[in-house]
Amino acid sequence: EVQLLESGGGLVQPGGSLRLSCAASGFIFSNYAMSWVRQAPGRGLEWVSDISDNGGSTDYADSVKGRFTISRDNSKNTLHLQMSSLRAEDTAVYHCVKTVGTTTRAFDYWGQGILVTVSS
Amino acid sequence: EIVLTQSPATLSLSPGERATLSCRASQSVSSFLAWYQQKPGQAPRLLIYDASNRASGIPARFSGSGSGTDFTLTISSLEPEDFAVYHCQQRSNWPLTFGGGTKVEIK
Repeated sequence: EVQLLESGGGLVQPGGSLRLSCAASGFIFSNYAMSWVRQAPGRGLEWVSDISDNGGSTDYADSVKGRFTISRDNSKNTLHLQMSSLRAEDTAVYHCVKTVGTTTRAFDYWGQGILVTVSS
Repeated sequence: EIVLTQSPATLSLSPGERATLSCRASQSVSSFLAWYQQKPGQAPRLLIYDASNRASGIPARFSGSGSGTDFTLTISSLEPEDFAVYHCQQRSNWPLTFGGGTKVEIK
């Protein structure tokens, strides 16, 4: 059974930093690209960042480019999102998501999500 | 950035009725469009990818069609568990983008 378990969320002040982690199990982690998708309270879904299966290629939404860094450790089946210079508009539930295939950026498994609140 | 516009925003139907949801892209996404279902307090669930491919375990009453800029998700006969919010997502161009969602509510 595929499982994605996020951790590291919480309350942070504007300008602060936070590191999210996602522990993956139930599939061959190193065979799949992974992404982070967020959802602000009462809002729609927003793709945040993507990393290729081997970690050699990354992409970011313009809204987080230069502030967030995605990474992965295939030896530990773990995905990370380092977030810095956080803003109030980054407040959202962040989901770790698995892609259907290495070139198919549709998301067939989602973690339950972790809440990040940016507020003073 | 490719903008996805979903319509209607809300669809009020009764169980057993047919639901037709639309997703329109601001430029062609070929067939690289997915549909998700989301219930309150839950993560989204993949229904359809690449316009018409049902994801694993998805009932046959869900079907997707379209290409280019116009796409449709059809639920042939609504079951009580189908009342939810539906999102579309394109993977044709970076950044990946989602539509604003269509809520299917009980009439």
